[in-house]
Amino acid sequence: DAGITQSPRHKVTETGTPVTLRCHQTENHRYMYWYRQDPGHGLRLIHYSYGVKDTDKGEVSDGYSVSRSKTEDFLLTLESATSSQTSVYFCAISESMDSSEAFFGQGTRLTVV
Amino acid sequence: AQSVAQPEDQVNVAEGNPLTVKCTYSVSGNPYLFWYVQYPNRGLQFLLKYITGDNLVKGSYGFEAEFNKSQTSFHLKKPSALVSDSALYFCAVRDGGFQKLVFGTGTRLLVSP
Repeated sequence: DAGITQSPRHKVTETGTPVTLRCHQTENHRYMYWYRQDPGHGLRLIHYSYGVKDTDKGEVSDGYSVSRSKTEDFLLTLESATSSQTSVYFCAISESMDSSEAFFGQGTRLTVV
Repeated sequence: AQSVAQPEDQVNVAEGNPLTVKCTYSVSGNPYLFWYVQYPNRGLQFLLKYITGDNLVKGSYGFEAEFNKSQTSFHLKKPSALVSDSALYFCAVRDGGFQKLVFGTGTRLLVSP
C-alpha cells in the first residue's frame, strides 16, 4: 500500500463545530486530493493540491477549506460542521498530473450529530 | 463535463463463472479511464487504467477491461470469479488536469460459492 495515513479514522462531532482531518503521505507525491464518499454518489472531489500552498476547489467544496504547508501533509477543515457533511472522507495522492493512477488512504468516517 | 455511469448497483455471479461489471463514459476528447476496487472498511485500490493503445487492458488480480470507443464503454471483466472478488467496484474518468477523477456510483459484486 502507498504510504498514506489519514487521521483520525473515526470522529463524531457536533453541528457547528470546526473539524480538521489530516492526510499524511510518505511518497513525496506532488498531487493530493480530498474526496467524500456517499451512497448513490460514489466519490466526489472536494479540494485538491498541486503543490505546497497550491490548492483548488473540486466539485463539492462548499463548507470546506484545505491547507498544504508541507509536501507530505494535506489538511481538510470543515469550518462549521453540518449533518450533510456526515460522510466517509478519503485522501488520495498521485505522482504526476498525466497518466499516473491515484492511491487512496483508508478513509475517515465522520459523523456530525 | 466528463462522466461515467455504472448501470448496475449489484452484480451476482457464481464462483468460477466469468464476471462483467459495466461502465459507460461521456467525455470530450480522449478518455483516461480507471477501475478501482473497495473492500469493506478500506480505501480504494487501483485495478487498471486505459490511457491509449490496446483496447484490452490487463490489471491486478486477474482483472481486465475492454475499451470500446464506438459504444463508449469500459467494462471490467474476469474469466473466473473468486469469492474473494466480492467488493465494491468503481469506474472513474480523469476530468481535466491534475489527475482529478470523476467516479461512477459503484457496483457491488457478490460472488457466491
